[in-house]
Amino acid sequence: GAVVSQHPSRVICKSGTSVKIECRSLDFQATTMFWYRQFPKQSLMLMATSNEGSKATYEQGVEKDKFLINHASLTLSTLTVTSAHPEDSSFYICSASRDRVDGYTFGSGTRLTVV
Amino acid sequence: GENVEQHPSTLSVQEGDSAVIKCTYSDSASNYFPWYKQELGKRPQLIIDIRSNVGEKKDQRIAVTLNKTAKHFSLHITETQPEDSAVYFCAAGGYSTLTFGKGTMLLVSP
Repeated sequence: GAVVSQHPSRVICKSGTSVKIECRSLDFQATTMFWYRQFPKQSLMLMATSNEGSKATYEQGVEKDKFLINHASLTLSTLTVTSAHPEDSSFYICSASRDRVDGYTFGSGTRLTVV
Repeated sequence: GENVEQHPSTLSVQEGDSAVIKCTYSDSASNYFPWYKQELGKRPQLIIDIRSNVGEKKDQRIAVTLNKTAKHFSLHITETQPEDSAVYFCAAGGYSTLTFGKGTMLLVSP
C-alpha cells in the first residue's frame, strides 16, 4: 500500500531559528502533497497544497513567507518554518495521494516545540 | 469552500454497544468521504471511505452511509471494543482537497 514517511517526528528549536520538515512518498509518486497543522484536541487544518514543480497554494491566513513549501520531486515535499516562534509549536502532518482511487495517506507527523 | 460539521464532539459507550458519528457537508461537488481514526500523538489512519456513487459501505464492524441529497454521512461502529477508543474525523472533498470535521472523541468503557 501507499506509504508516506515524515521526518523528523519531534523537534525542539529556539525562537528565531528555522526548521525543515520532510515528507516522502516511499512507494509511489505523488504529484500533490498536503500540509496540515493540528493543535491539541483540535482538527487538522489544511495549511497548503504542494504541487510538484510549481508554487504551493496556501490557505487563507497562512503566511507563505513563514511556512515555505518546496515540492522538488514527485516523492518529496518539504515544509520550512522560518523564524519560528512559540506560537508555531504544533503538530504538523503531511499527506499525499497516489491516485484517484486510493485516497490520501498521512505521514507520521512532526511535533514542533519552539522554546 | 467546503464546510464540514461533525457531531457529537464526545461519545461514551459501553463495550459491545454501537456508536454513531454524523457529519454534514456543504459543497455538493464533494465526492469523496473518508473517515479517520487518530490515537493521541499519531497520524490519522483511514478506517473506511465512501465515494459519491455509493450509498453504503461496510467493513466488518464499521459501516458508512452517505445521503448526497441531504449532504450528510455517518460512521457506524458495532460491537465496540475498548481499543476503538480514539478521536474520529470525518472529511469531505475530492481529488484535490479534503476538509475535516472537528473530530469526535470516542470512549469505550469495558
